[in-house]
Amino acid sequence: NAGVTQTPKFQVLKTGQSMTLQCAQDMNHNSMYWYRQDPGMGLRLIYYSASEGTTDKGEVPNGYNVSRLNKREFSLRLESAAPSQTSVYFCASSDPRGQPYEQYFGPGTRLTVT
Amino acid sequence: AQSVSQHNHHVILSEAASLELGCNYSYGGTVNLFWYVQYPGQHLQLLLKYFSGDPLVKGIKGFEAEFIKSKFSFNLRKPSVQWSDTAEYFCAVITYNTDKLIFGTGTRLQVFP
Repeated sequence: NAGVTQTPKFQVLKTGQSMTLQCAQDMNHNSMYWYRQDPGMGLRLIYYSASEGTTDKGEVPNGYNVSRLNKREFSLRLESAAPSQTSVYFCASSDPRGQPYEQYFGPGTRLTVT
Repeated sequence: AQSVSQHNHHVILSEAASLELGCNYSYGGTVNLFWYVQYPGQHLQLLLKYFSGDPLVKGIKGFEAEFIKSKFSFNLRKPSVQWSDTAEYFCAVITYNTDKLIFGTGTRLQVFP
């Protein structure tokens, strides 16, 4: 099992450019999440998906869109990147039917917007 | 809204010193509690968790945490730290009416040999 995988690992964008962060999990989990991690602020939830075909906003959704392509994949899109979106992005998954609410994290994507 | 407070932002210790990191949460109902660790350059890994039962839970690498319901606390402890414990530690809570983790702001631990 690879667990949760993310691509790319690093990315540099110019202001206004767009990009999609990819996330996939092979644990057959229903729920998937996108977080951003900023110094001194911990992890903040951007969007989550409780099941295939559903998505909901988290704490900091502005400037982002998501797609739950299928049960395995959950992508995060920045339509017009801004310097304030410079951060480390983590994807996670969980399955409340198993160990309730324990989330498994991917390795992260370090994004810099200049 | 639920929140998690970690009072220690940066802790510096020598090897073999004892560690206690504070975590308090604000929610009056049933909670699940977690401590995650992030080693330099790596992703978050689960250190330990509390769902129910014995309020003293033991995790990996000699860490333990005690859930004190009356104090809304879930402090992390280790009797003797090692240089390899240098990392950032995050406390997190999930309440029973949501499946969203709420994280604290993290505590950066540096252990010097």
